[in-house]
Amino acid sequence: GNSVTQMEGPVTLSEEAFLTINCTYTATGYPSLFWYVQYPGEGLQLLLKATKADDKGSNKGFEATYRKETTSFHLEKGSVQVSDSAVYFCALRIGGATNKLIFGTGTLLAVQP
Amino acid sequence: KAGVTQTPRYLIKTRGQQVTLSCSPISGHRSVSWYQQTPGQGLQFLFEYFSETQRNKGNFPGRFSGRQFSNSRSEMNVSTLELGDSALYLCASSLGPSGSEGNTIYFGEGSWLTVV
Repeated sequence: GNSVTQMEGPVTLSEEAFLTINCTYTATGYPSLFWYVQYPGEGLQLLLKATKADDKGSNKGFEATYRKETTSFHLEKGSVQVSDSAVYFCALRIGGATNKLIFGTGTLLAVQP
Repeated sequence: KAGVTQTPRYLIKTRGQQVTLSCSPISGHRSVSWYQQTPGQGLQFLFEYFSETQRNKGNFPGRFSGRQFSNSRSEMNVSTLELGDSALYLCASSLGPSGSEGNTIYFGEGSWLTVV
């Protein structure tokens, strides 16, 4: 079946450190891939997306590249800030006539000053 | 442009009661989906509607139901509430039903349901 696996947290970093959150997927066909972020007490915000192999999504200094050969979509940021502290979710949409998203379990990121 | 609006934001219900949650999608969006978020199960898909028709349904008991109106607004209902139904219920909207590149999915801030 279709599924998303992401690294367990929490991930604790100092400000300006490099961030990687791993995400791998299993899917039939050619899914679209997403990273969403959830700040405390809020809903989900789309951070970035990629719709086909080798696409790179980027936003607010975050990047992720759709790697079909390794079925991965790892999230990276070169220099994290305290304000980046949140829960990050990797998700896939299998396509076709549906918007159903399948989410990973989420990774809590805590950035310390 | 207003985002996805969910009401109420917070509510407390007693076991056995029922609850109705409302979602107004972004103007012009015709597809609405619902998700349940709990610490133990994470984010789970409930159902998806487009043009008043349920297009897809997750693996939840029949106590969970939903509908979509002609103006694309959607409601979900949970009957005979159980303690385990305590969760954040998230609504998401998008332009259309397909997974095309331009069809970004936007989420509301959610409705926090506590069952006591």
